[in-house]
Amino acid sequence: GQQLNQSPQSMFIQEGEDVSMNCTSSSIFNTWLWYKQDPGEGPVLLIALYKAGELTSNGRLTAQFGITRKDSFLNISASIPSDVGIYFCAGPPPWDMRFGAGTRLTVKP
Amino acid sequence: DAGITQSPRYKITETGRQVTLMCHQTWSHSYMFWYRQDLGHGLRLIYYSAAADITDKGEVPDGYVVSRSKTENFPLTLESATRSQTSVYFCASSEPFGTSGGHFSYEQYFGPGTRLTVT
Repeated sequence: GQQLNQSPQSMFIQEGEDVSMNCTSSSIFNTWLWYKQDPGEGPVLLIALYKAGELTSNGRLTAQFGITRKDSFLNISASIPSDVGIYFCAGPPPWDMRFGAGTRLTVKP
Repeated sequence: DAGITQSPRYKITETGRQVTLMCHQTWSHSYMFWYRQDLGHGLRLIYYSAAADITDKGEVPDGYVVSRSKTENFPLTLESATRSQTSVYFCASSEPFGTSGGHFSYEQYFGPGTRLTVT
């Protein structure tokens, strides 16, 4: 099955800074999903990507579907304290869905 | 309440006991899924269901049983719990739709999770 490598594992940033994380797979995907998980909660879908090269935004979040179809990137601009949590990449849905190990984001005020 | 719910939220059980985790969704989504989340492994798919009475194995199905007699419910049973099944379990649901990429997507929406401890 597909393996997803997500990096970095953790980030400690100052409020207001931009954040970048990425995910690579061992095989081609036709869909990439990015989720955020707050402590004690289930993952919440942030952005879905469907086409190679696609760039999609959700507020301060921007994600890109890599042109090789084996990678994806998530950027958060001007981070705020509520951005704290674990961010996961995932794909491809549904029955062979794999998740990255997550990027734990800490934002210092 | 609308959405996807799981019960119980917390459960402690002993090795060898049978335990059932419940999942209920109000969206009438066709697909439902069970994942487990362990430190260092992210989320791993246990079982999924494409419709009532249709279920199939995911990445880590051993030791688990599922059923789906109604579209809205998807219970997960641990027939004889083991300590290695201590984990956080998440249920998710999805309804396929056509995408701009020309294929179907299955964005999954997750419940709040059940934290299971097997002693």
